[in-house]
Amino acid sequence: EAQVTQNPRYLITVTGKKLTVTCSQNMNHEYMSWYRQDPGLGLRQIYYSMNVEVTDKGDVPEGYKVSRKEKRNFPLILESPSPNQTSLYFCASSFLGVRAKNIQYFGAGTRLSVL
Amino acid sequence: QQQVKQSPQSLIVQKGGIPIINCAYENTAFDYFPWYQQFPGKGPALLIAIRPDVSEKKEGRFTISFNKSAKQFSLHIMDSQPGDSATYFCAASRMGGSQGNLIFGKGTKLSVKP
Repeated sequence: EAQVTQNPRYLITVTGKKLTVTCSQNMNHEYMSWYRQDPGLGLRQIYYSMNVEVTDKGDVPEGYKVSRKEKRNFPLILESPSPNQTSLYFCASSFLGVRAKNIQYFGAGTRLSVL
Repeated sequence: QQQVKQSPQSLIVQKGGIPIINCAYENTAFDYFPWYQQFPGKGPALLIAIRPDVSEKKEGRFTISFNKSAKQFSLHIMDSQPGDSATYFCAASRMGGSQGNLIFGKGTKLSVKP
């Protein structure tokens, strides 16, 4: 089954404790992206990646890191989480080029609470 | 700077009604306009999309109307059902530019009452 898998689904942590949210896709997509969703603000892009070892900042990258060492994985790293990073996070992926039709496939989300 | 403005923020209709969600964009380089549907506890999923070379696209009960000169597009849901209750996001992107980067509106929470 084609899917984007995020883990964990729920996470409660404390300020300053480093954490990683994993994202994996099994569709051989070149493009992967992280979004955060906050009430009234919609989906805002954090980072994206066009391919292995190619990453770039989205609209709200501060406080986040990503890496793309393998095509299927795109982890989101919070080195020193703060309460303003409490949010619902989504990973998405898609093909690039003509095949893409710009259809992004989203994971089920990770709800993060930073105390 | 918000490049895609979506309204209303929330919408309540009776079963069978026709909710309409509107979006406006600023960047004339955008050439792809999808709508995503998100149910509680799930990630968004593509519902329907339109390119600016057509003014309307229908898929089942869902219709996108597109007005290129006004830089506006809207989603109409015919004969709405309680199962359509979800959050709807419009988006825009440039197919030929930073392909894959969607700019989302802030979302509309739709409730369809039985």
